[in-house]
Amino acid sequence: GQNIDQPTEMTATEGAIVQINCTYQTSGFNGLFWYQQHAGEAPTFLSYNVLDGLEEKGRFSSFLSRSKGYSYLLLKELQMKDSASYLCAVMDSNYQLIWGAGTKLIIKP
Amino acid sequence: GAVVSQHPSWVICKSGTSVKIECRSLDFQATTMFWYRQFPKQSLMLMATSNEGSKATYEQGVEKDKFLINHASLTLSTLTVTSAHPEDSSFYICSAGDLAGYEQYFGPGTRLTVT
Repeated sequence: GQNIDQPTEMTATEGAIVQINCTYQTSGFNGLFWYQQHAGEAPTFLSYNVLDGLEEKGRFSSFLSRSKGYSYLLLKELQMKDSASYLCAVMDSNYQLIWGAGTKLIIKP
Repeated sequence: GAVVSQHPSWVICKSGTSVKIECRSLDFQATTMFWYRQFPKQSLMLMATSNEGSKATYEQGVEKDKFLINHASLTLSTLTVTSAHPEDSSFYICSAGDLAGYEQYFGPGTRLTVT
């Protein structure tokens, strides 16, 4: 079967750094996505990785290791507005997105 | 670019009635549109995938006769919840994929409450 695993909840302090991990087992791989979703809102796109390595975009970076079936989202200089759920999703061989359950990130002052 | 709209943003209806939700890609042609449902504190659940001009592909456990999907053009897909019941109350989100491929662009979602 297809499976995406990510922690249910994480807590971090404003101004700090947090890493949210995602491991996956899917039938085929056409890229991995990270989305941010604030409560009551639709997800918004953060990043897309299809090759191994680190992609940096401002305060957010995403890393992928295809051989390990592993990705992480790194958030630096955390702000209160970063409190949200972070969804990891993998596009399988049929170009369908397989979604993780999301990681709720709580930022404390 | 890549804006997807949904209408209505929220709706309250009585049990037994039907509700139609529209999903539009405003500045691109969406070859594929996806309908998701999200219950409180849970992740997105894909309901169905629709390609323009063809029948939608429903995920296991989703009743195709209850959740009618029409994707009549490259910019519009509709989801009709027929004979709605309180357990259908949820946050319904559509997303659209463009011709270039990989990314899905999400609409703002429709919150349905069935009383």
